Amino acid sequence: KQEVTQIPAALSVPEGENLVLNCSFTDSAIYNLQWFRQDPGKGLTSLLLIQSSQREQTSGRLNASLDKSSGRSTLYIAASQPGDSATYLCAVKVKTSYDKVIFGPGTSLSVIP
Amino acid sequence: GAVVSQHPSWVICKSGTSVKIECRSLDFQATTMFWYRQFPKQSLMLMATSNEGSKATYEQGVEKDKFLINHASLTLSTLTVTSAHPEDSSFYICSASGHSAYSNQPQHFGDGTRLSIL
Repeated sequence: KQEVTQIPAALSVPEGENLVLNCSFTDSAIYNLQWFRQDPGKGLTSLLLIQSSQREQTSGRLNASLDKSSGRSTLYIAASQPGDSATYLCAVKVKTSYDKVIFGPGTSLSVIP
Repeated sequence: GAVVSQHPSWVICKSGTSVKIECRSLDFQATTMFWYRQFPKQSLMLMATSNEGSKATYEQGVEKDKFLINHASLTLSTLTVTSAHPEDSSFYICSASGHSAYSNQPQHFGDGTRLSIL
């Protein structure tokens, strides 16, 4: 059974700092991994998608890496801003009969002005 | 633009009421739809997987008689919370995917439904 974990559970940084969020998964039989952002009381915003054959993806100040063999992904946020404050979720699409997407518990990020 | 539409976005009702939530794929045929539940400060937990024209597959611990799922067409799945009680109050999110040939595509999610049972 696929299990997804994320560390840290919460992170508070001053504005302008670079930071790394970590995601681990137990079963490497995945199609892809997605990073999402969720603001309080809101739905999901997709940030980056990495296919299982890829090593990294970049979008603006965000860079996500994937090491499928070790079951790890990182989300790097450069020059953090208060507007980056949110919960960040990683999710893997597993190779099952229904291609389920399994979420990690999330990292709650606060960027202090 | 949104590719998955979920309705309603917010519902408040009395205990004992049944509530129906709709999930529609807007510009593709969703052979499979997923329903998630999220309690405050927790992550999304998969409740069930529904395939068009067949019975839903429920995750362990999810009561299938409590959470009725119907996937009658390739663009619509519904989740009905029957005889809802305060402990059913939660954020419900649906997701849709197309044919298995597109398994490497990103998963698209609705904006969620916040259900509050008084």
